[in-house]
Amino acid sequence: AQSVTQPDIHITVSEGASLELRCNYSYGATPYLFWYVQSPGQGLQLLLKYFSGDTLVQGIKGFEAEFKRSQSSFNLRKPSVHWSDAAEYFCAVVHAGGTSYGKLTFGQGTILTVHP
Amino acid sequence: GAGVSQSPSNKVTEKGKDVELRCDPISGHTALYWYRQSLGQGLEFLIYFQGNSAPDKSGLPSDRFSAERTGGSVSTLTIQRTQQEDSAVYLCASSLTRYQPQHFGDGTRLSIL
Repeated sequence: AQSVTQPDIHITVSEGASLELRCNYSYGATPYLFWYVQSPGQGLQLLLKYFSGDTLVQGIKGFEAEFKRSQSSFNLRKPSVHWSDAAEYFCAVVHAGGTSYGKLTFGQGTILTVHP
Repeated sequence: GAGVSQSPSNKVTEKGKDVELRCDPISGHTALYWYRQSLGQGLEFLIYFQGNSAPDKSGLPSDRFSAERTGGSVSTLTIQRTQQEDSAVYLCASSLTRYQPQHFGDGTRLSIL
């Protein structure tokens, strides 16, 4: 069965510092991978997605992620964090095929705190 | 444009009562998903609709949970005889077709007293 691990429950960075949020997945074939962000009391907003092709994908709000098959990872990065980036971030995988029907399997989430 | 709309945004009810949660997907989206977000379990898949049919109900936690979708649009998640462990945020998402990026509503926060 597919699974997603986000090793860091909580990360704190200073505004303007760089950010990397880790995501590892367990899956046999090429996965479809996503990063979502959730602000308090809100739903999930899609930051970026990887389906195939270029392993470095660009998303909204200045975020990017790199798919590394050899490491089963899909880490999210941002070169300079803004205070408004404080939120919870979820990595998710879709099993492409069979009877998965596109349902998302989520990691546990990483809470990002930004210090001024 | 209109996103996924869920109602009510908050629901407080007594243990043993039935509740209905509503989801209005983005117009034209054929795929609709329900997820549950709780402190102990994180984000969990509940059910998937393609049009009005539900080929995957594997995430529904018990037979107290049911869902339907009508007209290929609005979906209702019903929980009968609510229990305290049903307290969670229920999120609905829709996508153009399955495997396409899912767009989420703001959820219904359900509290069982």
